Amino acid sequence: KNEVEQSPQNLTAQEGEFITINCSYSVGISALHWLQQHPGGGIVSLFMLSSGKKKHGRLIATINIQEKHSSLHITASHPRDSAVYICAVSGAQKLVFGQGTRLTINP
Amino acid sequence: DTAVSQTPKYLVTQMGNDKSIKCEQNLGHDTMYWYKQDSKKFLKIMFSYNNKELIINETVPNRFSPKSPDKAHLNLHINSLELGDSAVYFCASSQDLRGHGYTFGSGTRLTVV
Repeated sequence: KNEVEQSPQNLTAQEGEFITINCSYSVGISALHWLQQHPGGGIVSLFMLSSGKKKHGRLIATINIQEKHSSLHITASHPRDSAVYICAVSGAQKLVFGQGTRLTINP
Repeated sequence: DTAVSQTPKYLVTQMGNDKSIKCEQNLGHDTMYWYKQDSKKFLKIMFSYNNKELIINETVPNRFSPKSPDKAHLNLHINSLELGDSAVYFCASSQDLRGHGYTFGSGTRLTVV
């Protein structure tokens, strides 16, 4: 079993819908990262969290350290949000990645 | 003004060849990494360096040799390439070992034929 599990693996929604992607981890961490990988392949760091909640535009990330769980929310989703979203945890001086969630937003 | 740049973007080569991928960051970060993304899109750490010092070597075959001439550069040299080395290799950097300011390069797609 992977140390970082994401759900769902694939998600298709209509434009405007509220999106939630979940991440659970089984190891001790110093921080959790949410990353976005577009079809072109580049990876962008969206958030780094060690507690609570962060918001950037239409994206919100939360983390519950006790439950070892994080969520990424997208409000008013748009086709340009279509990408693979990857959860990764920092610990032991490296990132350990989830398998990614492929999100497709249809117009 | 690219923050983390890696070259080449694409590399097609024959089995048995030796090749290098270069990575440079202009962010002033102390820590640099190499990650491998396999055909299932799963990312995994290969190496990390902090101020030119090797921190992590994650059970990578010794055909892979990273070299960090200074803290802004981390190059990856691969000897005797095998078919299974085909993957996308990402360079990344962060301010420190805790991972603040993680920034990825655009990736190098290596195809071994």
